[in-house]
Amino acid sequence: NAGVTQTPKFQVLKTGQSMTLQCAQDMNHNSMYWYRQDPGMGLRLIYYSASEGTTDKGEVPNGYNVSRLNKREFSLRLESAAPSQTYVYFCASSRQGGSPLHFGNGTRLTVT
Amino acid sequence: QQQVKQSPQSLIVQKGGISIINCAYENTAFDYFPWYQQFPGKGPALLIAIRPDVSEKKEGRFTISFNKSAKQFSLHIMDSQPGDSATYFCAASIRNNNDMRFGAGTRLTVKP
Repeated sequence: NAGVTQTPKFQVLKTGQSMTLQCAQDMNHNSMYWYRQDPGMGLRLIYYSASEGTTDKGEVPNGYNVSRLNKREFSLRLESAAPSQTYVYFCASSRQGGSPLHFGNGTRLTVT
Repeated sequence: QQQVKQSPQSLIVQKGGISIINCAYENTAFDYFPWYQQFPGKGPALLIAIRPDVSEKKEGRFTISFNKSAKQFSLHIMDSQPGDSATYFCAASIRNNNDMRFGAGTRLTVKP
């Protein structure tokens, strides 16, 4: 039982490059999330998907797009990466809103 | 604007001592208050959670104290062990709402 799996684990991009962070969960959860870990600010919600077929903005959505590909998979895309997007990104899932989150182990992204 | 304020930023405790981390929230609609534990290189994992219908919840050495009138809740770790050294996040959300807000985190170090 893998839980929440994120790929890649590490990535280095140059300014202006694009990339997609992948996330998959095997717990049959309805809701999925993308957070970023800001030093000194904790975890900030970028986007979430309450159920298959829906996505909504979180606290810090600018510069990102998401796709809920199916119930298992939720991807995060950076169209034109900037150094200000250097963070650790976490995907999470939950049975529904307001229930415990299950996190992946993160993608450490560096933009130079 | 952080909806959940956490203190202290870092905490050093001797083995066997009590670790106390505090959080305060603004939104009175919050009704689910979890604590997450994060080890280096890993994603946060749910440690313990409380809903506002009780003032205290205990699981082993971990206790959440909740003060609804003060809009504050805290995590107490009794008999702290070096294995408890990690970053702890408090969080808050509303039932059936996907927007969970996190505190900035507390880095706990337990010295042997």
